[in-house]
Amino acid sequence: DAGVIQSPRHEVTEMGQEVTLRCKPISGHDYLFWYRQTMMRGLELLIYFNNNVPIDDSGMPEDRFSAKMPNASFSTLKIQPSEPRDSAVYFCASSFSGRGTGELFFGEGSRLTVL
Amino acid sequence: GQQLNQSPQSMFIQEGEDVSMNCTSSSIFNTWLWYKQDPGEGPVLLIALYKAGELTSNGRLTAQFGITRKDSFLNISASIPSDVGIYFCAGQRYNAGNMLTFGGGTRLMVKP
Repeated sequence: DAGVIQSPRHEVTEMGQEVTLRCKPISGHDYLFWYRQTMMRGLELLIYFNNNVPIDDSGMPEDRFSAKMPNASFSTLKIQPSEPRDSAVYFCASSFSGRGTGELFFGEGSRLTVL
Repeated sequence: GQQLNQSPQSMFIQEGEDVSMNCTSSSIFNTWLWYKQDPGEGPVLLIALYKAGELTSNGRLTAQFGITRKDSFLNISASIPSDVGIYFCAGQRYNAGNMLTFGGGTRLMVKP
């Protein structure tokens, strides 16, 4: 079975450019999470969706960040304009509420470097 | 910020040694989970705990759900080089859906 698929795996961009990160959750999962990981802050929850609806976006750092989930099989995290401090690894994770275990399945991450 | 206090932040041990790490919280969690993140990868679930006092093993790993529901520990016995990585505890609260709160991680380094 395919796991959570993220793209791109690596992105290097210049300050001010728009960045779009993509995620395909595991089929049948009804929760989708976006996390950011840095050495200083560890794993931070940015936003999560349930049945494609954003539930909690309190972790989104600024208005420069936005996330969408137009359907059950796709989500995007957009940063516009990007800044050097946005450099981090961004993880998407999905889970299935019916399982009752709380287990999140993570993608391999998108490593973003903003110069 | 982090609501789970995980310690130690890092460990550098000799191959064959046992390892212990723990997480504490000021609030109650209904489920405790332990994840491992290999370099360049996303975290992967190691052990999940669902009842206060529960002790669960998975090979060389043993984890316990604290009786107060506010803490958990993970032990690794006879460490090997492939145990290297970052270990995260995570807690799930009742009525929080599938949202997890993560600890800050324990970075484990094993010297052959």
